[in-house]
Amino acid sequence: DAKTTQPTSMDCAEGRAANLPCNHSTISGNEYVYWYRQIHSQGPQYIIHGLKNNETNEMASLIITEDRKSSTLILPHATLRDTAVYYCIVRIGGYQKVTFGTGTKLQVIP
Amino acid sequence: DTEVTQTPKHLVMGMTNKKSLKCEQHMGHRAMYWYKQKAKKPPELMFVYSYEKLSINESVPSRFSPECPNSSLLNLHLHALQPEDSALYLCASSQDLTDSGANVLTFGAGSRLTVL
Repeated sequence: DAKTTQPTSMDCAEGRAANLPCNHSTISGNEYVYWYRQIHSQGPQYIIHGLKNNETNEMASLIITEDRKSSTLILPHATLRDTAVYYCIVRIGGYQKVTFGTGTKLQVIP
Repeated sequence: DTEVTQTPKHLVMGMTNKKSLKCEQHMGHRAMYWYKQKAKKPPELMFVYSYEKLSINESVPSRFSPECPNSSLLNLHLHALQPEDSALYLCASSQDLTDSGANVLTFGAGSRLTVL
């Protein structure tokens, strides 16, 4: 799996958009970008994934650059409940070894 | 049912005890995983089962013994653990291991293990 690089921590004001970047410059053509988050002392939760195109669901939007070397997870209106560690993972779909990097700790501030 | 249920939520055991962690899912998923997570660290993969067969063992010490008795159940048997094995143990499942981007992991809430 390709390696990912994320900022260690970020702050975001409540109600504002949270933009979490991820670099994956060694991504290969058949690797997807996945985002999970882990709220304190809970299991990780799937958020969104994409291959080439931008994606949106009820939780977030995923913007993938044209060269696929980086992506941004967007939480459009951050709430206090979005405070969590956000993990960006790249892997081949269905590949067994899902490896988590260090992630970004997002703190949403009232 | 879209949940992965892990029991117990908390477990305290001595180094000579034998205990088990249990994981159950009723989503029809055929791949199941054990992860270990130490405080302030990301989850680390331990084992992967596919169609009830062990597919990956990430060089985990033999004091951890996984078992997948059927497609819905995954156990982790613990014996002669060390205090450094204290951690949050996470179970996850996915539909299967086919090459589909939609094959995402669903995690349980975890079992917090303390070894005295």
